[in-house]
Amino acid sequence: AQSVTQLGSHVSVSEGALVLLRCNYSSSVPPYLFWYVQYPNQGLQLLLKYTSAATLVKGINGFEAEFKKSETSFHLTKPSAHMSDAAEYFCAVSDDTGRRALTFGSGTRLQVQP
Amino acid sequence: NAGVTQTPKFRVLKTGQSMTLLCAQDMNHEYMYWYRQDPGMGLRLIHYSVGEGTTAKGEVPDGYNVSRLKKQNFLLGLESAAPSQTSVYFCASTMRGGNTEAFFGQGTRLTVV
Repeated sequence: AQSVTQLGSHVSVSEGALVLLRCNYSSSVPPYLFWYVQYPNQGLQLLLKYTSAATLVKGINGFEAEFKKSETSFHLTKPSAHMSDAAEYFCAVSDDTGRRALTFGSGTRLQVQP
Repeated sequence: NAGVTQTPKFRVLKTGQSMTLLCAQDMNHEYMYWYRQDPGMGLRLIHYSVGEGTTAKGEVPDGYNVSRLKKQNFLLGLESAAPSQTSVYFCASTMRGGNTEAFFGQGTRLTVV
């Protein structure tokens, strides 16, 4: 069975500081990995996805993630936080069976302090 | 395009009442899903469908039923609501293929009192 672990349910950074949100996965086969963002009272929006074409994946809003197979990690980073980045972030792994369902981590709430 | 639309957006039920949540997508996606979101637990899969007329159980199916009579619609039913079903419910859809993006609705906030 697949699983996703997000370390840190809450992360607080200052505006302009580096954002690092951690995600580790377990999967018996090469995974399909995703980061989604959820703004208050909204649905989930895709930030980026790992396609196996490149280990460093660039997404929207200046976010990127690096796939490290040896560490089974897919951490999300952004060089400089903006107030508008305050949201909840979810790492997810796609099912390796035919149903293609997502298994989510428990989420990390990012606060950005002025 | 509207994408994935969920109705209603909010609902309060009394214990034992029934209701149906509707999910509609206009992207001609084959796969559709219902998840529930609870604090500190991420999203968990309730039921899913890989095509019109087919449904299957996810990780937390107890107390829910689903139907997919039309490709664009996926209904989630609660026959006898319980306080443990207080949650935010999300519908999602995606195309066939390995790493295709799932598109999510705006969610339905359900409170069972």
